[in-house]
Amino acid sequence: DIQMTQSPSTLSASVGDRVTITCRASQSISSWLAWYQQKPGKAPKLLIYKASSLESGVPSRFSGSGSGTEFTLTISSLQPDDFATYYCQQYSSYSITFGQGTRLEIK
Amino acid sequence: QVQLVQSGAEVKKPGASVKVSCKASGYTFSNFGFSWVRQAPGQGLEWMGWISTYNGRTNYARKLQGRVTLTTDTSTGTAYMELRRLTSDDTAVYYCARPKGLLEEDAFDIWGQGTMVSVSS
Repeated sequence: DIQMTQSPSTLSASVGDRVTITCRASQSISSWLAWYQQKPGKAPKLLIYKASSLESGVPSRFSGSGSGTEFTLTISSLQPDDFATYYCQQYSSYSITFGQGTRLEIK
Repeated sequence: QVQLVQSGAEVKKPGASVKVSCKASGYTFSNFGFSWVRQAPGQGLEWMGWISTYNGRTNYARKLQGRVTLTTDTSTGTAYMELRRLTSDDTAVYYCARPKGLLEEDAFDIWGQGTMVSVSS
């Protein structure tokens, strides 16, 4: 199975900050990568698919980039609603895998 | 609107089986497959497998092979996940999720609300 490794595991930031979360794949996944936001007690919400395509209805402060084995999710100016846990997911292979998650907390 | 509505919470004894349902509405059921994803308390997301509503083809996570069965009922627009020989490690919230496109290996744009399954003696 393809392993997905996110960093950092926890990120402390303030409203208005620009933050970046990284996801690395154990082998090339081309651009078959998605990013999700999850809040406590809720289902994950799709933010980005195909590495850099913004899901409909998602604010433009969210952006994704990368291909191959290294990917980033960037939030250009943190809003109070953005404090949550973020997961990457690869769907390149027959076996889908997720990163372990990055918890974004208020500094 | 497009939505997936799952069945309610379950409490099971070790060794038992559980079957969770996921009813789809707001779109043509047979146009999209389903994946199931689970999340143990305080842990990350774990993909369990997918099923094609077109031909019933399934693909299960290696770790769960032999214990999990995914099915669908086109007449009611419902997907099912059955997990057998439960242990405490299976305590988790179970989600159904719809792929964004026509391929089962895809990002998931629609999720059910989750079903808590607790396994305890």
